[in-house]
Amino acid sequence: AQKITQTQPGMFVQEKEAVTLDCTYDTSDQSYGLFWYKQPSSGEMIFLIYQGSYDEQNATEGRYSLNFQKARKSANLVISASQLGDSAMYFCAMREGDTGRRALTFGSGTRLQVQP
Amino acid sequence: NAGVTQTPKFRVLKTGQSMTLLCAQDMNHEYMYWYRQDPGMGLRLIHYSVGEGTTAKGEVPDGYNVSRLKKQNFLLGLESAAPSQTSVYFCASSLGFNQPQHFGDGTRLSIL
Repeated sequence: AQKITQTQPGMFVQEKEAVTLDCTYDTSDQSYGLFWYKQPSSGEMIFLIYQGSYDEQNATEGRYSLNFQKARKSANLVISASQLGDSAMYFCAMREGDTGRRALTFGSGTRLQVQP
Repeated sequence: NAGVTQTPKFRVLKTGQSMTLLCAQDMNHEYMYWYRQDPGMGLRLIHYSVGEGTTAKGEVPDGYNVSRLKKQNFLLGLESAAPSQTSVYFCASSLGFNQPQHFGDGTRLSIL
């Protein structure tokens, strides 16, 4: 089974509108962390936001917020007031607490295109 | 403020050749990772290290070896390159396993 599922290969959004990128995860661990990364066309991986499994409040970082629904095992990224520079690939990733791997499992990504 | 530096940025190899990719971080991070990214896919973990002198296998370790002789460096080796290893390789580091990983700019490797 896929650990991280991103069901939207591509998304379009109008500049200044909000957009939600979906992410669902699968783990039996009680302790885990969820991350979102942005990869522009230049190729670098940029950390955006983090949500811990025990965090009661949804994480926010500027225009980014994470809609964390633990019972549904979803961790959707919300980008408010989209900008042209937000056009990129977005990856959801999970760190599981007790696997010993202590690394990230990535989803296949969503390509977001912001239109003027 | 260099962060995570990968060398080289590009390389073309012939099948059977060997090479080493170097990753250096100047943030005093304990954890370091090597990932590969293939077209249309997310990153997959090759090997990782939780401290100087330690290494462990990730999701796709076959055909690769790693070493972490110094805390700031994490080397990825291909002993006998194969076309299936054509990919973009990313190195990352983190202060702790629950901390964000900082990535290098990637190494684009083509094996003919």
